[in-house]
Amino acid sequence: NAGVMQNPRHLVRRRGQEARLRCSPMKGHSHVYWYRQLPEEGLKFMVYLQKENIIDESGMPKERFSAEFPKEGPSILRIQQVVRGDSAAYFCASSPGVIGLGAYNEQFFGPGTRLTVL
Amino acid sequence: KQEVTQIPAALSVPEGENLVLNCSFTDSAIYNLQWFRQDPGKGLTSLLLIQSSQREQTSGRLNASLDKSSGRSTLYIAASQPGDSATYLCAVVDDYKLSFGAGTTVTVRA
Repeated sequence: NAGVMQNPRHLVRRRGQEARLRCSPMKGHSHVYWYRQLPEEGLKFMVYLQKENIIDESGMPKERFSAEFPKEGPSILRIQQVVRGDSAAYFCASSPGVIGLGAYNEQFFGPGTRLTVL
Repeated sequence: KQEVTQIPAALSVPEGENLVLNCSFTDSAIYNLQWFRQDPGKGLTSLLLIQSSQREQTSGRLNASLDKSSGRSTLYIAASQPGDSATYLCAVVDDYKLSFGAGTTVTVRA
């Protein structure tokens, strides 16, 4: 059973370009989470998605960032008009569906996409 | 808002010494606490998951304790080895959202 897959692993963009980061969850997982790790900082929650639904995007910057998890295909984190401050490692995690009230849906992390903005 | 702090930020020990990594959090109403390992340029590997009803969890040379009332968790690594060199992250699980500390970077000298 393959783990969470992210691509590309490394992405270089110039200021003003768009960045698209992809995440394929583990087989059987229908929940996806995105986290961002800025240099010298801890990982910060960005967004939680289920198939075709955004459940919680409280950690997403209000502008330029968007996320989707379509019925078919990977989850996409899209950053428009990138700036140098967007340079970071972006991690995706996935978990299975709800397994019981109060039970913890353990999140499994992908290897991350390292975005560098020149 | 949950704040997670890890002390120390970095630690260097000779091989064979025991490691003690500390994690504190501000809101004790957590679901679970999880310890991860992160190698340079790599993803996160889950080490131990302590559910809120538990006080500790063990796996091989690793032992993690949880004291919700005081907002603390400690990760112990016995008889450290050079292969233990990595950054260790503590994450507090609040429903579906993980709040991470900044990590403790460990170097084990051969």
